[in-house]
Amino acid sequence: AQSVAQPEDQVNVAEGNPLTVKCTYSVSGNPYLFWYVQYPNRGLQFLLKYITGDNLVKGSYGFEAEFNKSQTSFHLKKPSALVSDSALYFCAVRDGGSYIPTFGRGTSLIVHP
Amino acid sequence: DTGVSQDPRHKITKRGQNVTFRCDPISEHNRLYWYRQTLGQGPEFLTYFQNEAQLEKSRLLSDRFSAERPKGSFSTLEIQRTEQGDSAMYLCASSSVGTRNTGELFFGEGSRLTVL
Repeated sequence: AQSVAQPEDQVNVAEGNPLTVKCTYSVSGNPYLFWYVQYPNRGLQFLLKYITGDNLVKGSYGFEAEFNKSQTSFHLKKPSALVSDSALYFCAVRDGGSYIPTFGRGTSLIVHP
Repeated sequence: DTGVSQDPRHKITKRGQNVTFRCDPISEHNRLYWYRQTLGQGPEFLTYFQNEAQLEKSRLLSDRFSAERPKGSFSTLEIQRTEQGDSAMYLCASSSVGTRNTGELFFGEGSRLTVL
């Protein structure tokens, strides 16, 4: 079985400050990890992924995520938040032997001017 | 535009009616997924096709739900005898199979169903 937890329903940050959106996962095999963003009334857009290799992965719009195997975490980060980053963020995981990702409940990121 | 397209974007229907949603994936993608999303929740997996074969269905997919992908291109999701609990956003996504595939999904804009 595979599962994802996003412990924060909402994250508030001031523009220009660093942001972190948390994600922990559980899989039986090697994890394939993803972050997606969803703007109001839109579909999900892929941001970045971790499959193997360097634990720090970089993605779209200046976002990055750090894979931590011992803590089974894959937190999304950005050094300097923009108001336009305000959206819903979803973490997803799949086992390397599966083609079906499981999504977390999502975290609403609000960046204040 | 070569993205995933879904139609209709919004459907309002009365309880007991049948509805059908269509998804056109990215043309070179041979995997197609249907997910359901309700307010405050993440997408929940419904079913998955590789080419025309439906390889997996969630237990969420009751007998009233049926999905097809007859020629391995577009897909339809039909809900028969709709109930108010079926009100949700129905998301379609596609991905490719290949040596470099790492499985990220490309989503459409979704089809929002409202059952009165």
